[in-house]
Amino acid sequence: EAGVVQSPRYKIIEKKQPVAFWCNPISGHNTLYWYLQNLGQGPELLIRYENEEAVDDSQLPKDRFSAERLKGVDSTLKIQPAELGDSAVYLCASSWGFGDTQYFGPGTRLTVL
Amino acid sequence: KNQVEQSPQSLIILEGKNCTLQCNYTVSPFSNLRWYKQDTGRGPVSLTIMTFSENTKSNGRYTATLDADTKQSSLHITASQLSDSASYICVVTLNPPNTGNQFYFGTGTSLTVIP
Repeated sequence: EAGVVQSPRYKIIEKKQPVAFWCNPISGHNTLYWYLQNLGQGPELLIRYENEEAVDDSQLPKDRFSAERLKGVDSTLKIQPAELGDSAVYLCASSWGFGDTQYFGPGTRLTVL
Repeated sequence: KNQVEQSPQSLIILEGKNCTLQCNYTVSPFSNLRWYKQDTGRGPVSLTIMTFSENTKSNGRYTATLDADTKQSSLHITASQLSDSASYICVVTLNPPNTGNQFYFGTGTSLTVIP
């Protein structure tokens, strides 16, 4: 069974530029999460989807961050414009349902110069 | 305030030795506690999950314990191997899951196993 796939694995951009991350969850998983992880810290939830509906985006900085999960499968997370403080690893995770074990992707390491 | 604290922050041990990592939490009401292993440059991978009624759970050389009364958990690694070098993250789930934050992550313990 394929795991959670994320791309790109690494991204380097200059501040004020836009950037987008893509996530393909495990087939059949209804719940999808986007996390931000700073070095030496645990993941912090940005947004959670139940199928195609964003049911928890309270931690998402909506002035510059946006996300979508069309058709309830793949998801994209966008930052526009990026700031220096956005440098971090962005993790995508999926689970069968709310509260079930999450399976994480390898993450996208973003560096904003 | 719901929090998860892990100790030590980092640990270096010799290959073949045992070690124990600690997790203290204040998350309430409690649903379950998971230990994840995160290799450098990879996403976290679940090792164990324990509910309120479970005191111990093993996964190979990894044994997790839970004391729900004192709100403490530990992860014991037996006969460590070089491949055990990773960050170990404790995650507590709120019960019932609500529209707010569902999972509370610790900051992790960075374990380095040296030959």
